[in-house]
Amino acid sequence: KAGVTQTPRYLIKTRGQQVTLSCSPISGHRSVSWYQQTPGQGLQFLFEYFSETQRNKGNFPGRFSGRQFSNSRSEMNVSTLELGDSALYLCASSLVGTGNTEAFFGQGTRLTVV
Amino acid sequence: AQRVTQPEKLLSVFKGAPVELKCNYSYSGSPELFWYVQYSRQRLQLLLRHISRESIKGFTADLNKGETSFHLKKPFAQEEDSAMYYCALRDSNYQLIWGAGTKLIIKP
Repeated sequence: KAGVTQTPRYLIKTRGQQVTLSCSPISGHRSVSWYQQTPGQGLQFLFEYFSETQRNKGNFPGRFSGRQFSNSRSEMNVSTLELGDSALYLCASSLVGTGNTEAFFGQGTRLTVV
Repeated sequence: AQRVTQPEKLLSVFKGAPVELKCNYSYSGSPELFWYVQYSRQRLQLLLRHISRESIKGFTADLNKGETSFHLKKPFAQEEDSAMYYCALRDSNYQLIWGAGTKLIIKP
């Protein structure tokens, strides 16, 4: 069974640009969560999508947005990039509602803003 | 407020010594608690969950509701245990609430 796949693996963008990251969950998983990981802040929750609806949201500015498609694939968009957005962005999928609540993580997308 | 606290950012122990990574939580309901591990250049992965009451790679964690703790323990550390460890709590909305993580370094 294929794991969680995130593309691209690496990105370099300039301040002010926008970026879209993609996450393909494990087949059958309907919940997709996004996290920002930095050395200083650890794992920060961005948002969670379930059946194409945003179900939970963290404390990030509106520049960070996401969506989920009918096949459960999810995208995350960051507009007007700032230097502080440089981080590893992780996506996790899980089977919710079945008692098995383990989150499976992708390898992440390393975003560098210059 | 729901919160997971890992008080140690860094823990360094010698190989063969016991290891205890601390995790305390604040949650009004019945928590579902996890330990996740991230080895160097690998993806974050589940180590163990409290409902399974299992031992993985020699690690165990017991939920202490009285002390609201879920400390991770291993009697004899191995060099391959060096990694970043995160404690997490899943709330009733299925959201995972994460601790800040503890970097464990096992010295030879």
